[in-house]
Amino acid sequence: DVKVTQSSRYLVKRTGEKVFLECVQDMDHENMFWYRQDPGLGLRLIYFSYDVKMKEKGDIPEGYSVSREKKERFSLILESASTNQTSMYLCASSLDSRSSYNEQFFGPGTRLTVL
Amino acid sequence: GDSVTQMEGPVTLSEEAFLTINCTYTATGYPSLFWYVQYPGEGLQLLLKATKADDKGSNKGFEATYRKETTSFHLEKGSVQVSDSAVYFCALSRGSNYKLTFGKGTLLTVNP
Repeated sequence: DVKVTQSSRYLVKRTGEKVFLECVQDMDHENMFWYRQDPGLGLRLIYFSYDVKMKEKGDIPEGYSVSREKKERFSLILESASTNQTSMYLCASSLDSRSSYNEQFFGPGTRLTVL
Repeated sequence: GDSVTQMEGPVTLSEEAFLTINCTYTATGYPSLFWYVQYPGEGLQLLLKATKADDKGSNKGFEATYRKETTSFHLEKGSVQVSDSAVYFCALSRGSNYKLTFGKGTLLTVNP
């Protein structure tokens, strides 16, 4: 089974702190994604990566950056956390970037609260 | 751009009731369509999929048929169980674009 793990289930940070969310997948997938999930808004794509050291902005990249130094690991960075970044963050991975059938496998999520 | 619209919840049903969650999409070309489910406290997992018109995806008693003429992919189940209580997301993926576009999700609660 594909396994996507996220470093924390719950995280509480203060405004202005630098926050790192880590995601690891164990199936040699090419693509990795970071979403945030908010009530009434569904899932919104923040950033994705289709290869090591490659990244592309999603729909809401402002206030976030990412890092992918190894194929299995994709990090989301909040340079200076703000209260409007309080949310559930979901990481996902998928195998093949050239197919329209792109099942994504999700981690359990990190619920981040910024005080 | 691409978009997915699904019926707003919450939806509350009694056990063994019939379930329909409507989903329509806007996209050029021929997208692939998906239903994902999120159980309480967990990430999303793929429930079923369809990759071309008239395909029927099915899993765990759930079904959805890809209707290109009505741009729809409605989720149905004949007899829901308490364990089906979850949030359901409709999504699409188009061509070589590996992005998924999600609907806003529908919360289903099934009471015994």
